Amino acid sequence: AQSVAQPEDQVNVAEGNPLTVKCTYSVSGNPYLFWYVQYPNRGLQFLLKYITGDNLVKGSYGFEAEFNKSQTSFHLKKPSALVSDSALYFCAVREIGSARQLTFGSGTQLTVLP
Amino acid sequence: DAGVIQSPRHEVTEMGQEVTLRCKPISGHNSLFWYRQTMMRGLELLIYFNNNVPIDDSGMPEDRFSAKMPNASFSTLKIQPSEPRDSAVYFCASSPNSAYNEQFFGPGTRLTVL
Repeated sequence: AQSVAQPEDQVNVAEGNPLTVKCTYSVSGNPYLFWYVQYPNRGLQFLLKYITGDNLVKGSYGFEAEFNKSQTSFHLKKPSALVSDSALYFCAVREIGSARQLTFGSGTQLTVLP
Repeated sequence: DAGVIQSPRHEVTEMGQEVTLRCKPISGHNSLFWYRQTMMRGLELLIYFNNNVPIDDSGMPEDRFSAKMPNASFSTLKIQPSEPRDSAVYFCASSPNSAYNEQFFGPGTRLTVL
């Protein structure tokens, strides 16, 4: 079985400060991991993914995420937050070799305060 | 490419009426997904197709829900009869046919059943 947890429903950060949105996953084998962002009244947009290789993945809009196998985590980070980063963020996992499709987390609402 | 296209963007109907949601995936994508998003349940996968064939419909909540994909460029999700608890945002997404490819989401259809 595969699952993903986003332990924080809400994250607030001041503009210009670094941000972290947390994600942990559970799979029997190895994972593919994804981050998506959803702006109000819009569909989800792909940000970045981990498939294999370098544990640090860089994506759109200056975001990055680090795959940590020992901690089964894939936290999303950005060195300097912008007000325009305020949105709902989803982590998703798919176990390699599984017939199951993506499992999404419950989402974390990020608010960047000016 | 125009991305995934969904229609209508908003639908308001009365309980008992039939509702049909439409989706045009990105050209060349082999997989198509229907999701439902609510505050209570988050993002739920309803059904997905691969090469126009339904692969997993275990997420379809009841027999009132049905989905079809008559060709590679069109899919429908039908609710008959509709109920107030069906009120949600319904997303269609498509992706190339590979386990590590990201999904591309449409803008969604906001359904309100009175």
